[in-house]
Formats: sequence, structure tokens, C-alpha cells
Amino acid sequence: GQSLEQPSEVTAVEGAIVQINCTYQTSGFYGLSWYQQHDGGAPTFLSYNGLDGLEETGRFSSFLSRSDSYGYLLLQELQMKDSASYFCAVREVYNQGGKLIFGQGTELSVKP
Amino acid sequence: DADVTQTPRNRITKTGKRIMLECSQTKGHDRMYWYRQDPGLGLRLIYYSFDVKDINKGEISDGYSVSRQAQAKFSLSLESAIPNQTALYFCATSDQQGREQFFGPGTRLTVL
Repeated sequence: GQSLEQPSEVTAVEGAIVQINCTYQTSGFYGLSWYQQHDGGAPTFLSYNGLDGLEETGRFSSFLSRSDSYGYLLLQELQMKDSASYFCAVREVYNQGGKLIFGQGTELSVKP
Repeated sequence: DADVTQTPRNRITKTGKRIMLECSQTKGHDRMYWYRQDPGLGLRLIYYSFDVKDINKGEISDGYSVSRQAQAKFSLSLESAIPNQTALYFCATSDQQGREQFFGPGTRLTVL
């Protein structure tokens, strides 16, 4: 079977750091992506990890450990506008070219 | 102008009606996808297409059909709509590498 697990909700205060974890079990794995979605709007791409380790993009970082089937998204210096849903997604088998299996999403609430 | 557009943005219809949702893109991507999103269930892949001559079923294709009229256009049809097809529908595109998918604004469909 295919499954991705991430917390359903996370709450943090403005200026803090928050980590959203994702564990996955899939029949094939090529990489892990993260997407952000505000209030039912279009999901937007945040980051991609194809190899183990940390990828940093501004305030956001993403980590992958393929041996542990685990990754996380790290958001630093939280801002109110970071309140959104965050989805991890496994990219299956490269020659399928970007077919994604999404987790159910983590709703992040940033408080003042 | 938006790179990925969807029409209509909102639609209310009745059980048994045939509905078509349309997606157009100006990104020049070969790969296009249709997803549905239900509260708490993340995004689930309905159909995907890697080029005009290629159509593939996703996780939840029953009750849906698609047409890839051109590189830039990918339509989703509900042959006989039923209430449990009430959802938010997203179209997405990606290039050959598939690391990032670009989503349209979504169509909110209600089947009464």
C-alpha cells in the first residue's frame, strides 16, 4: 500500500520555528516534495528532496532520510502569512515523470 | 495572466448531469494532471497525461473521463454526476523533470 503520515494540525507563535514531519510508505520512491496551500487556494511548490540531507530556501528548509522513509519541513521566523496547510508528497518512480502521492496535510496556525 | 487556468471556477449541478471542467496552460508543459481535494483527505490523482497521445488513470478514476485536446488543454468530465463527487478540483502541469507541479486556481463543484 501507499501511505503518507503527517500531523493534522500544528500551532506556533510568530517568530518561532516549527517542524512538520512526514513519514511515508510507498511502492516506489524517487523524491519528496512539499506544497503550501492557503484556504483552498492553489497549492504552491515549496521544496523538493531527491537525496538525503537538508535543502534550504530562505526561511524554509526540507530534510529527507530515505533509509528512515522520513522527511520534514522546517519553517523559521514564522510570520502570520505562514498560516496555511502544508502537504508532503512522494514522487513515485522517475520514468512516470512527477506522479505525486499526497499526504493529508498539516494545518499550521501562527498566533501573534 | 495566470499560467494555468480552470473554468468554471464554481459550478452547482444536479445528480445525473454531465459536467465538463476545463484546464488550459501557457507554460508549454507536456504533462498535465487532474486532482480532487476533499476536506481532510489531501489531493488525490484522478487522471494524468504525459503528452497529447498519453492518458493514464490515477488513484480515483471511476466516474470520470478526460480528454487531452492539445498540449495546452486537458478536460475532465463527469459523465453522470453524483453527490459524492462534490469537491474542489485542481488541474496541474509539470515539465519532463517533474520536480515541481504548477496548479490552477481550482474548480469548486457541488452536486445536489
